Formats: sequence, structure tokens, C-alpha cells
Amino acid sequence: EAGVVQSPRYKIIEKKQPVAFWCNPISGHNTLYWYRQNLGQGPELLIRYENEEAVDDSQLPKDRFSAERLKGVDSTLKIQPAELGDSAVYLCASSSPGRGRDEQFFGPGTRLTVL
Amino acid sequence: AQTVTQSQPEMSVQEAETVTLSCTYDTSESNYYLFWYKQPPSRQMILVIRQEAYKQQNATENRFSVNFQKAAKSFSLKISDSQLGDTAMYFCAFRTLTGANNLFFGTGTRLTVIP
Repeated sequence: EAGVVQSPRYKIIEKKQPVAFWCNPISGHNTLYWYRQNLGQGPELLIRYENEEAVDDSQLPKDRFSAERLKGVDSTLKIQPAELGDSAVYLCASSSPGRGRDEQFFGPGTRLTVL
Repeated sequence: AQTVTQSQPEMSVQEAETVTLSCTYDTSESNYYLFWYKQPPSRQMILVIRQEAYKQQNATENRFSVNFQKAAKSFSLKISDSQLGDTAMYFCAFRTLTGANNLFFGTGTRLTVIP
């Protein structure tokens, strides 16, 4: 079974530039999560999708962050414009109700550096 | 609100020895899940072990076991016969049983296994 796929693995951009991250969850997993992990910290949830619907985006900074999950499979997280404080690892995870939704499978993350 | 505290930023252990990582949490919920995740330098979060709060018996997975003290809201991880491959960041995480499947993570403990 293929795991959660994320790209790119690394991204370096200048501040005020836009950036996008892509995630392909495990096949059949209808719940998808985006987390941000700051250096030396644990991951913090940004947004959770159930199929195409964003059911929890309370921690997403909506002035500059946006996300979409068209067709309920792949997802894209965008930052526009990026700020220095956005430097972090962005993790995507997925889970399936068939497993009681109690295990989230994580991708390798995208490390973003904003200069 | 749920909070997870890991008070040991770094720990080290000799290969083949046993080490215990500490975690405490705070919640008003009576039913929930607790997890330990491992994050090696590759950044991929890997589930090590999980515990359902309604189960009295401590979970075990091969060399990994937990000491779950519900009244004290404590959830420590014991790694026996430590191996070099156990070197990683370890995160304690919490999730309620109802509603969202959102994970709340601690700040992590960096474990180094010394040859």
C-alpha cells in the first residue's frame, strides 16, 4: 500500500512570494489533514477535510493561507504571500473511517524556508 | 482545551538499555486515545503505540510499552533493548473519542541511542 505522498520535499522562497504544497493521501482515505510543525515543536492542525468538505479550518490563517481538495482526493495548501514566520515543515496526513479514524498516516512533509 | 506536555526535551540511552519517556496531558474528557509517534530525520511521523483510555491494560508493541495512569493523566513510553534505529524525536499525542479526529501533540523528546 502506497503511503501519503507530498511534494515538494523542500522549498525555499523569498518573503512575499506565493508557494503551494501538494498532498496525495492513501487510497480510500476520505479524511485529510494539513499540519504545520515549527522547529522544535509538535505538529499543529491547520485544516481537516472530510471528502471535499473542510470541516475544521479554525486554525488556518485565512488572510494568507488557502486549501482545496477537489474531488475528495488530492489536496493543495497555498500561502500567498509568504512571511518569514511561515518557515516550517508542512505535514499532510490521512485516515479512514474503516479503521475507526483513530490512526493517522503521515507523509514526509514539505520543509519551507522563507528568506 | 486539551494540552499535552513532554518535559524532557532530550534524552539519551545506551544501546540495549531501557529508557522511559514522559508525557502528561490535561483534558476534561473521560474517553480518549493516546499515542506515541516517532519522527526520524526523514520527518515521516510513524505511529509507535496507542492506548484507549477506557482500557485498563497498558498497551505493548514488541519492545515498546506504555505506563498509562489515567487518574494522574500520565502516559509514559518505555523502550526496551534500545536500538540505534530508535534514535528520533518522539511525540506524545491525544485525541478525543467523539467529534473531530484532531490530534494534539506535545513538544517532543529527542532520543539518542548511543552505540
